[in-house]
Amino acid sequence: AQSVTQLGSHVSVSEGALVLLRCNYSSSVPPYLFWYVQYPNQGLQLLLKYTSAATLVKGINGFEAEFKKSETSFHLTKPSAHMSDAAEYFCAVRGNEKLTFGTGTRLTIIP
Amino acid sequence: DAGVIQSPRHEVTEMGQEVTLRCKPISGHNSLFWYRQTMMRGLELLIYFNNNVPIDDSGMPEDRFSAKMPNASFSTLKIQPSEPRDSAVYFCASSLRRDSYNEQFFGPGTRLTVL
Repeated sequence: AQSVTQLGSHVSVSEGALVLLRCNYSSSVPPYLFWYVQYPNQGLQLLLKYTSAATLVKGINGFEAEFKKSETSFHLTKPSAHMSDAAEYFCAVRGNEKLTFGTGTRLTIIP
Repeated sequence: DAGVIQSPRHEVTEMGQEVTLRCKPISGHNSLFWYRQTMMRGLELLIYFNNNVPIDDSGMPEDRFSAKMPNASFSTLKIQPSEPRDSAVYFCASSLRRDSYNEQFFGPGTRLTVL
């Protein structure tokens, strides 16, 4: 069965600093991986997805993630944090048509 | 496209009452998912449908929960009787079951409070 682990339930970064949110996956087959963002009182929105076409995936709002098979990781990064990036971020892996989500990382931006 | 539509957005009810949550998926999508989100358990898949047929309901907590999809444009999640521990945000999501990555589009959620 597929699973994902998000390291750090809360991350705080200063505005303009690098954002790094960690996700490690476990999968017996080549995985399809996703990052979703949830703003307060809203549903989840897809940031980006890995479907084996390229290991570096670019998403919306300046985010990107790199798939590293040797490290079983799919960490999310953004070079320069903006106040509007404050939200909760979920890593997910697809298996048998279902998505399994991580526990989420709440990102706080310090002015 | 209007996106996934859920109603009501907020529901407050008393223990023992029946609660019905509604979802309209994105037109043309043929897979529909119901999730529950709580602080304690995070985001849990309750049930999903393909072409209006329930495929996996292993996440439904107990017999008090039931879900239906009478047609491609409408689904309901019913809790009868409701209990305080059912308080959560319930999300509906839909996708086009066409290729492997099956991007899911989420609705805004229904915040349920059972007193």
